[in-house]
Amino acid sequence: GAVVSQHPSRVICKSGTSVKIECRSLDFQATTMFWYRQFPKQSLMLMATSNEGSKATYEQGVEKDKFLINHASLTLSTLTVTSAHPEDSSFYICSAIGTGTYEQYFGPGTRLTVT
Amino acid sequence: AQSVSQHNHHVILSEAASLELGCNYSYGGTVNLFWYVQYPGQHLQLLLKYFSGDPLVKGIKGFEAEFIKSKFSFNLRKPSVQWSDTAEYFCAVTPGAGTYKYIFGTGTRLKVLA
Repeated sequence: GAVVSQHPSRVICKSGTSVKIECRSLDFQATTMFWYRQFPKQSLMLMATSNEGSKATYEQGVEKDKFLINHASLTLSTLTVTSAHPEDSSFYICSAIGTGTYEQYFGPGTRLTVT
Repeated sequence: AQSVSQHNHHVILSEAASLELGCNYSYGGTVNLFWYVQYPGQHLQLLLKYFSGDPLVKGIKGFEAEFIKSKFSFNLRKPSVQWSDTAEYFCAVTPGAGTYKYIFGTGTRLKVLA
């Protein structure tokens, strides 16, 4: 099946710094990638939809200047959490879909801890 | 607003018991339906999906789900659970043709006792 990877799997950063999370589709070209946030014992909350070569579409309430998304190629999307604060600590998950399918393939997630 | 409801938040079963997890959505048009499983410490994996056709869908690991359009439901079933089925289960819906965004349910945490 299609494989999506994320890097890093865990990251700890200090408040005020920025951190970049990478999402890669390893064996298919991802026309669209999604970024989710999952709080402990809760469901996945969609943050934004990222299409290759165009600006990301953010969900209501998600600050686009804080969560910068870049989808520069058909196999890579990045999420940069800028000026991170402890409340940004969470589990960030990406997913990707290929051409002509509704099925999303999920990455393993990145645990971000802001101290 | 479109939503997906999973009524059972926590389920505890003994091995060999039958499982049914509810999923209801609020959208009257065309939908695509999915069930994902998240084992402890692992990423979400697709159990099964429904796009069209036979409303009874069979997935991996002995799971199946039935799409009942009149009830806006897509319940997940397994006749006999195993300890290894302990995980969190998420129902997801894409509302509308041409829409790729998932709306996730709140998840059901299943614990199977050996």
